[in-house]
Amino acid sequence: DTAVSQTPKYLVTQMGNDKSIKCEQNLGHDTMYWYKQDSKKFLKIMFSYNNKELIINETVPNRFSPKSPDKAHLNLHINSLELGDSAVYFCASSQLRGALTDTQYFGPGTRLTVL
Amino acid sequence: AQSVTQLGSHVSVSEGALVLLRCNYSSSVPPYLFWYVQYPNQGLQLLLKYTSAATLVKGINGFEAEFKKSETSFHLTKPSAHMSDAAEYFCAVYTGTASKLTFGTGTRLQVTL
Repeated sequence: DTAVSQTPKYLVTQMGNDKSIKCEQNLGHDTMYWYKQDSKKFLKIMFSYNNKELIINETVPNRFSPKSPDKAHLNLHINSLELGDSAVYFCASSQLRGALTDTQYFGPGTRLTVL
Repeated sequence: AQSVTQLGSHVSVSEGALVLLRCNYSSSVPPYLFWYVQYPNQGLQLLLKYTSAATLVKGINGFEAEFKKSETSFHLTKPSAHMSDAAEYFCAVYTGTASKLTFGTGTRLQVTL
């Protein structure tokens, strides 16, 4: 019974393509997040949604667009992929609205490689 | 601005030895501090967190960390390492002024026989 799941696990694509990563949580949490972990393991928050409402939007290129069809899902769409987008993308969820002190539960990650 | 610094990107200990992973933070206001663990090919899992209650925080898997304001540190320790502790460990800080969780660059713990 996976708490936070992501698909796909691996994604290899060419520069300029558009791709999506899906995330689902079955914990009943209200808040979901997207993080990017680069090749040096540096982890940085990108977005946060609470019950389908965007509450954190860090400085990321507008080629990245999160979409939350319902509070259990938060997808990440990336347009015009660039080499620098290669990273591991983690989805996470927490129970409380915007409370980053609350325990976050992470998915297994999606390793994106842009060729 | 808030930040965390993890000293040592790679730490190697023998099985049964003390584990000490160092984390120093920078924050102009009282912080909340976290340690997360990442096992190979998995997401992060919370080990423990400090939220201004007791300065010595006990977490899962026998880990604990002590908040020392005078040293701006939140080092992670475990008395006796086990092979299953081999993983990447991340320290993170949250302050309300920044409204985001800032992670350190991680420390890879290797446990040898």
